Formats: sequence, C-alpha cells, structure tokens
Amino acid sequence: QQQVKQSPQSLIVQKGGISIINCAYENTAFDYFPWYQQFPGKGPALLIAIRPDVSEKKEGRFTISFNKSAKQFSLHIMDSQPGDSATYFCAATIQGGSEKLVFGKGTKLTVNP
Amino acid sequence: ETGVTQSPTHLIKTRGQQVTLRCSSQSGHNTVSWYQQALGQGPQFIFQYYREEENGRGNFPPRFSGLQFPNYSSELNVNALELDDSALYLCASSAPPGTGSNEQFFGPGTRLTVL
Repeated sequence: QQQVKQSPQSLIVQKGGISIINCAYENTAFDYFPWYQQFPGKGPALLIAIRPDVSEKKEGRFTISFNKSAKQFSLHIMDSQPGDSATYFCAATIQGGSEKLVFGKGTKLTVNP
Repeated sequence: ETGVTQSPTHLIKTRGQQVTLRCSSQSGHNTVSWYQQALGQGPQFIFQYYREEENGRGNFPPRFSGLQFPNYSSELNVNALELDDSALYLCASSAPPGTGSNEQFFGPGTRLTVL
C-alpha cells in the first residue's frame, strides 16, 4: 500500500518558470511533511517542511501548500533555475515514535536554460 | 560539524552472500535510521536505532539486521542476498525521537549490486 502518492514522475520546465509537484497521503495520523532534494550520487537533503496547522510555508523560492481536508500538499519552485535540476521527494511521518519517513516515488525535475 | 558518512561507496556481491554496510552519524546525533532506495523509487524505511536498540522497523524480513555502537555509529547487515536487494542503502541520523527536531540528515549511500 503506497501511503504517499507523488506526481508527476518527471517534469521539464524552462528557466524562470514555476515547477509544481503534488503529493497526496492516506494516513491522517501523519503530522510532518518534508520535501527532500536529491542530486545524482548524493543522499536526499531536506529542502523545506510543513506541519498541518499551517496551509502554506515559504522559504526563498520554495513554497509548500498544504490542504488538510484533501490530504494533499504540493511544492512550488518559483523562478526555476538549471541548478534546481534534481529528483524531489515528498515524505510524511508521525512525530513522537520512530518518526520513520514515508516517501513518495519522486519527481525528476529538469530545468532547461 | 561532521556530516553522515557511509562505507563502502559501492559493493558487488553474489546471491546468497552476506553484506555489512557502515554508517557514522552526524556529530551530536544519537539516532540512526536505514533506508533502501531501489532505482527510480523513493527510499523505504528499514529500521531505526536509538540507544543501541532497534526503535521501529519497516516491512523488511529478518535477514535485514542492524547494530548501533556506543559512539552512535551503525551497521546494516543483510544475509542470504537476493537479486532484489540491489539498491542504494541510505543512512540518516537525527536527534532523539520525540524531541521535536524531525530533520533526518542523510549520508551519500552505499550502492549494492547483487549478481
């Protein structure tokens, strides 16, 4: 059972454009939702995270939008740059226990110059 | 501040063999989690170690086992290797569970190929 569904699988945008990646979750007990960025040959690195008590969080060019009733959240990358080309993973966890991360399958983003 | 390190970087084994992967946690972190990332997939939680004991386990068979040492470093052992065990194995360190600091810091991974 895939608890976090991520789309699209791949995304190509032009430099300066907006990249949007969507995720949906099933387990209503999830209470922490991070996004990770992974470059080839590297481990995932935390990009931005949100808790369900807020509907939006912005850090620089990266914004998470969160819809608790729809059990959906999304990552928006404004003014996308070629250096943003990487694989992005959404994840979810329940705080207080092992806090294991449940990941989506990833979105490979390519930003063309 | 020293980041999470893993060894070896790459490993090739044959079916039925056993493998040990190693991880050193980030300075100040006493919790280590292991994940398996198959090609083109997201990481999947294998287990977590805290205070040298297993603290949560994902849907992996008992031939996946681990250890945590007093210096917080950790090992992942896989017995009776199968072809499907070929993957990138990621180690992540973090502050103790329940402290409100949720960030897990990942190492670069060990690429295991089973032939």
